[in-house]
Amino acid sequence: AQSVSQHNHHVILSEAASLELGCNYSYGGTVNLFWYVQYPGQHLQLLLKYFSGDPLVKGIKGFEAEFIKSKFSFNLRKPSVQWSDTAEYFCAAGSDSGGYQKVTFGTGTKLQVIP
Amino acid sequence: DGGITQSPKYLFRKEGQNVTLSCEQNLNHDAMYWYRQDPGQGLRLIYYSQIVNDFQKGDIAEGYSVSREKKESFPLTVTSAQKNPTAFYLCASSLRGDRKNEQFFGPGTRLTVL
Repeated sequence: AQSVSQHNHHVILSEAASLELGCNYSYGGTVNLFWYVQYPGQHLQLLLKYFSGDPLVKGIKGFEAEFIKSKFSFNLRKPSVQWSDTAEYFCAAGSDSGGYQKVTFGTGTKLQVIP
Repeated sequence: DGGITQSPKYLFRKEGQNVTLSCEQNLNHDAMYWYRQDPGQGLRLIYYSQIVNDFQKGDIAEGYSVSREKKESFPLTVTSAQKNPTAFYLCASSLRGDRKNEQFFGPGTRLTVL
């Protein structure tokens, strides 16, 4: 069965520090990868997605993620975080399951940025 | 304004009662989903529907039921058979039900069973 692992449950950083959140998936077939973000009091929304092509994907607000197929990883990065990046981040993997889309979410990483 | 609405935002019910959570979308999306979000467990799929009058069980469907009579609506009923119903419930939709389509989420309903 497909699974998505997020290694860090809670990350605390100072403003301007660099961020890397780990994500690994277990599915061996064709997979699409997503990072979603949930800001306090707001809807879950898409940050970035990978379907094919360039493994380095750029998203909104200066975030990027790199797909490394050999490592089954899709880590999220940002060179310099801001207080407004405080949120919960979810990695997700979409794959085919008997003709239906199946999207599996990780357990989430809470990021707290200290001014 | 296109989007997904869920109502109510907070819901309280007594143990043993069934309760229905509303989810409406005006994005003209074919696929709709229900997730349950618990602290430290991420989002777990309850039910999903790719098209009107069709739906499939997700990973944790026991104690829940759904219907999809209209394209824009996908209500979730939490039955008395659900052993631990207190949770945050999220509804989502996507243009189509394939793995490439991003999902759009509603604001969620926090259900507390007393």
